[in-house]
Amino acid sequence: GAVVSQHPSRVICKSGTSVKIECRSLDFQATTMFWYRQFPKKSLMLMATSNEGSKATYEQGVEKDKFLINHASLTLSTLTVTSAHPEDSSFYICSARLFRDSSYEQYFGPGTRLTVT
Amino acid sequence: AQSVTQLDSQVPVFEEAPVELRCNYSSSVSVYLFWYVQYPNQGLQLLLKYLSGSTLVESINGFEAEFNKSQTSFHLRKPSVHISDTAEYFCAVTPNTGGFKTIFGAGTRLFVKA
Repeated sequence: GAVVSQHPSRVICKSGTSVKIECRSLDFQATTMFWYRQFPKKSLMLMATSNEGSKATYEQGVEKDKFLINHASLTLSTLTVTSAHPEDSSFYICSARLFRDSSYEQYFGPGTRLTVT
Repeated sequence: AQSVTQLDSQVPVFEEAPVELRCNYSSSVSVYLFWYVQYPNQGLQLLLKYLSGSTLVESINGFEAEFNKSQTSFHLRKPSVHISDTAEYFCAVTPNTGGFKTIFGAGTRLFVKA
């Protein structure tokens, strides 16, 4: 149990276009999901917290108009990178939060490799 | 605020040798502690966690970590590593209050050599 999927796994897009990444919790409901960005050989940087039915909470320095997050259902959150530029190329990972064993645990998706040309 | 420091960016080790990956944290509130493993081009997988109780926690594949409150550490150990253990390992903390946002360390690359 507790599987999180992401789609697509890889995407290449041209500069100036928008890309949507989906994050789904397959066998549980997640009121809260998180979006991370990972640079090569670096740790995960939390971009935003996605809450079902409400606006996402963005971390300091993350442009909310550029990284649009929608959490329309208890099993789906989407991240849209708008007007993508080469510097947006990165590995994007989502996670879904689940309350288990008296604490919250996070289950991570397999990641999406975005390359902007 | 919380922070996590992984003292070694890379740890090369020979197969069947023991290994320790170090992790220290700072926090003004109580935290839950985690170790995650990441294989190339994949997401993170939970390796083990400390919530409360026994300070020594174990994973199913031979790793263990010990929570040391006085030293604010949560080092990961394995007595005998395999080639397949080669991966990136992340230490993480989640405060048990408020938004429960997880903070990750910078990661340690474990490279097991034959």
